[in-house]
Amino acid sequence: IAGITQAPTSQILAAGRRMTLRCTQDMRHNAMYWYRQDLGLGLRLIHYSNTAGTTGKGEVPDGYSVSRANTDDFPLTLASAVPSQTSVYFCATAIGGEPSGANVLTFGAGSRLTVL
Amino acid sequence: GQNIDQPTEMTATEGAIVQINCTYQTSGFNGLFWYQQHAGEAPTFLSYNVLDGLEEKGRFSSFLSRSKGYSYLLLKELQMKDSASYLCAVRDSNYQLIWGAGTKLIIKP
Repeated sequence: IAGITQAPTSQILAAGRRMTLRCTQDMRHNAMYWYRQDLGLGLRLIHYSNTAGTTGKGEVPDGYSVSRANTDDFPLTLASAVPSQTSVYFCATAIGGEPSGANVLTFGAGSRLTVL
Repeated sequence: GQNIDQPTEMTATEGAIVQINCTYQTSGFNGLFWYQQHAGEAPTFLSYNVLDGLEEKGRFSSFLSRSKGYSYLLLKELQMKDSASYLCAVRDSNYQLIWGAGTKLIIKP
């Protein structure tokens, strides 16, 4: 079934540890995004990639890094986790690397991360 | 700053009609989106407006007035499965999506 796979689904992590959230898509979409969703706030963009080999910073990039070695994979790494990074993380894709028309986002199921 | 305002929570009755409003102040405008998000799940796309007026899609309609910085999502013939959060998002002049915090819609029998 075509779509986006995120792993892990849920994770509890000690502060200071390194963590990588994985995102893989099989829709051959050019653009990929990482968002975090916190109660009472709108989705906030962490990092994005318009096409394989390129990445960019979103609204809240500090403490996070990404890579886009190929079209399908877009991992998000927390180098040294802090409690404020406790959140639900969504990976999303869009067909076009540059916005055109609706450029609708398709979201993965999310990864719930708790940093203690 | 950029801002999207939506009511935090609304309650409606099964079979009725509900209107969820969204007002925005952004740096430019390149389209407005509505997404539905059931509890514990991912957001899914509902509608896209870039020109003023009403876009109808089955039981759901979305309206846009760019001069007023205003949109609404209209849900007709409400069903229990419509209980979810509804997210409004605006694409600004830099083609970045600005998201509202969402409106939690509770449907009562």
